[in-house]
Amino acid sequence: GAGVSQTPSNKVTEKGKYVELRCDPISGHTALYWYRQSLGQGPEFLIYFQGTGAADDSGLPNDRFFAVRPEGSVSTLKIQRTERGDSAVYLCASSSQPAGVTGTEAFFGQGTRLTVV
Amino acid sequence: AQSVTQPDIHITVSEGASLELRCNYSYGATPYLFWYVQSPGQGLQLLLKYFSGDTLVQGIKGFEAEFKRSQSSFNLRKPSVHWSDAAEYVCAVGLKAAGNKLTFGGGTRVLVKP
Repeated sequence: GAGVSQTPSNKVTEKGKYVELRCDPISGHTALYWYRQSLGQGPEFLIYFQGTGAADDSGLPNDRFFAVRPEGSVSTLKIQRTERGDSAVYLCASSSQPAGVTGTEAFFGQGTRLTVV
Repeated sequence: AQSVTQPDIHITVSEGASLELRCNYSYGATPYLFWYVQSPGQGLQLLLKYFSGDTLVQGIKGFEAEFKRSQSSFNLRKPSVHWSDAAEYVCAVGLKAAGNKLTFGGGTRVLVKP
């Protein structure tokens, strides 16, 4: 597509529920990133995919968080047993090459605002 | 610990005045440096980036930034601010030793008064 698309744009869920957040990257981009942005803070890295594999998942806060990218395109971030502290904007980005290493620009989606009540 | 700091949480500037946003990083090597702008309901848009070479970088929307190695800084500037520049500005760094991720500062919210 023309840009990075994230769905849904807003998600309200009850504490303890399971949620899935979807990211559709720019066509042909092999690198895909998930970040989390809490209110008043800058984005924090969660996980990075190169192709289908998770090359770096060091930012996932705990084992309730999991992400997949089975065909090397669309990615889904999955959160089990949601907690109120998971409330944040979840940002997805893609780039044609690894952004942090090569300095290539990462293009960001508009984010999914997750609210856990 | 490696970090990116934006000392100013909020800045208010008059339309037509100049703007400078500070960004400092703490890394052992020279990282790749980025400035993004984030408007309400919008994703992060890249303003400019520094990889190597000329330390004064020109970006979109009339913004520029200067890399100063001695000060570990990458400050963003604009000579004359327009009302449409009101937004959140976020500095980010990428470093090979830190893997493929970008590390972001906390952001600076810019308010423009008429």
